[in-house]
Amino acid sequence: SQQGEEDPQALSIQEGENATMNCSYKTSINNLQWYRQNSGRGLVHLILIRSNEREKHSGRLRVTLDTSKKSSSLLITASRAADTASYFCATWSGNQFYFGTGTSLTVIP
Amino acid sequence: DTGVSQNPRHKITKRGQNVTFRCDPISEHNRLYWYRQTLGQGPEFLTYFQNEAQLEKSRLLSDRFSAERPKGSFSTLEIQRTEQGDSAMYLCASSSGTGISEKLFFGSGTQLSVL
Repeated sequence: SQQGEEDPQALSIQEGENATMNCSYKTSINNLQWYRQNSGRGLVHLILIRSNEREKHSGRLRVTLDTSKKSSSLLITASRAADTASYFCATWSGNQFYFGTGTSLTVIP
Repeated sequence: DTGVSQNPRHKITKRGQNVTFRCDPISEHNRLYWYRQTLGQGPEFLTYFQNEAQLEKSRLLSDRFSAERPKGSFSTLEIQRTEQGDSAMYLCASSSGTGISEKLFFGSGTQLSVL
């Protein structure tokens, strides 16, 4: 079973707007990661935030982590049409990574 | 670094047939994972190798599924007596990090359709 859940399931925005998606997870973690998947392709790692970090930036990406609420958010600023994809959070527990159900982002040019 | 390679990209088979998929990880990566993904869902863990040792296998994985990683290099995933419910994207990923900094590098997947 999957440990994480993303919210919203689908998001549609205009190019240039910001996109925010959220992830909730169930167990304690060492880190939380976000991945992106273009249609019909494999996942690509975007960013990793450790459990002792609260916020992390990478280019147009900003990730926050609240371990007390077992939640994370991914913000994509100044979105582009090329950002259209599905986004998944992933956590490590036991000997495996658990992925959420994903947020499908559509950026309209 | 040529990335993770999966073959074939697409496989169409009839119910009851056996299929085998191959994954070539990034050469220096010692960990290899298999995931299954259905439309609109996130990847679901199937199994995991550390070098040639299979360390974890999902309890949801039927006995019809078997994976190998001889010599700790490429891996194969075999599904015997396929069923229509096996239709999915099968993803392979590899990594070199451990614990807190580990991140996965995915292949493009093998799309299986069971008719």
